[in-house]
Amino acid sequence: QPVLTQSSSASASLGSSVKLTCTLSSGHSEYIIAWHQQQPGKAPRYLMKIGGDGRYSKGSGVPDRFSASISGADRYLTISNLQSEDEADYYCETWDNRGVFGGGTKLTVL
Amino acid sequence: EVQLVQSGVEVKKPGESLKISCKGSGYSFTNYWIGWVRQMPGKGLEWMGIIYPGDSHVKYGPSFQGQVTISVDNFISTAYLQWSSLKASDTAIYYCARHEVLHGSGWDYYYIDVWGKGTTVTVSS
Repeated sequence: QPVLTQSSSASASLGSSVKLTCTLSSGHSEYIIAWHQQQPGKAPRYLMKIGGDGRYSKGSGVPDRFSASISGADRYLTISNLQSEDEADYYCETWDNRGVFGGGTKLTVL
Repeated sequence: EVQLVQSGVEVKKPGESLKISCKGSGYSFTNYWIGWVRQMPGKGLEWMGIIYPGDSHVKYGPSFQGQVTISVDNFISTAYLQWSSLKASDTAIYYCARHEVLHGSGWDYYYIDVWGKGTTVTVSS
């Protein structure tokens, strides 16, 4: 089954952009993944999903500042015009007869 | 508005049984898979399993098969996660999660599109 690899942490300045990466393991580069945001002390929230063709669709109410892209086995979540409320853990998720999560990236907004 | 409302905080002793709940509203409960995700203190998300209320078919994650039971009561649009004998290592927040399914030629892809707010379970002697 697929393994999703995420950097453990990332940081960027208020008002700047950041690109978070989720890498699919070998043999799974076409898989669809979903991105979720978990703000401190809160439940996760679904952001969007993106497929191997690069097309993505966002959940209800997700700001335009959030977007997704791909390159090979890498799936990216880009957040533009960073706000303080974007400081959170970000998880990618995929499926292979069961759900699989990446280890999560802790984003710090400086 | 689609909502998943979970039951409250639980404090239990090792060896005790427990059943927590998740009530879905704002959508057709029997048409969506619904499941559970564990988050141990300070750790990431772990997918536990899902059930399809339409026929009660269940899929469990390998680490959770035989450790917990997932069930539903369609009359009250509620999903359950149950333990027969809790361990201290079951201490965690448990999130209820609705799953959407995409169908392709020879493949299905399930993903979480709605989350509950979580139920904190503490197991301590």
